[in-house]
Amino acid sequence: DAKTTQPNSMESNEEEPVHLPCNHSTISGTDYIHWYRQLPSQGPEYVIHGLTSNVNNRMASLAIAEDRKSSTLILHRATLRDAAVYYCILSSGSARQLTFGSGTQLTVLP
Amino acid sequence: DSGVTQTPKHLITATGQRVTLRCSPRSGDLSVYWYQQSLDQGLQFLIHYYNGEERAKGNILERFSAQQFPDLHSELNLSSLELGDSALYFCASSVDPRGTGDQPQHFGDGTRLSIL
Repeated sequence: DAKTTQPNSMESNEEEPVHLPCNHSTISGTDYIHWYRQLPSQGPEYVIHGLTSNVNNRMASLAIAEDRKSSTLILHRATLRDAAVYYCILSSGSARQLTFGSGTQLTVLP
Repeated sequence: DSGVTQTPKHLITATGQRVTLRCSPRSGDLSVYWYQQSLDQGLQFLIHYYNGEERAKGNILERFSAQQFPDLHSELNLSSLELGDSALYFCASSVDPRGTGDQPQHFGDGTRLSIL
């Protein structure tokens, strides 16, 4: 399985944008890039996913590098409720299960 | 609310016992996945069912088994329980109609299993 690398932790101030990086240098052409987050005492929550083009939804934006070896999850205005562990995961048709790494613990400061 | 329902929320039992965890997927979702989250191992995939058929196995012990019923709900059976089985067990569901890996998974709130 292709692996992802994320910083262990990041901090952000409330109402400021947050850019969460992810490296996936061994990504294959059929791998989708997924982001999930897990708030304390809850199950993982889907955030966004994409293949090649940048994606936007109501929660976040996903910026994918042209060579697809890295991506960035963008939270446009962080709130205290965005404090969570964020996971960057690669998923393909041959292995539809999600392989979670250790993720990035995002702390949002008031 | 993800639409995935897991019961019970908490389960306390003793070593050597057997328990059954239940998952009701979102309406219309044919795929059900089971994951285990422990402090030392993180979130690990256990097993995947699609429309009643087993599709993939991960790090699932032989003491554990699962099935998906015709109404698409799923059960995870854990037997001969050991202290190390104490963990959060999550169920997730997805539509996954073409099996291309591009469908999000929606997770329940989990069952917290404590082995005394």
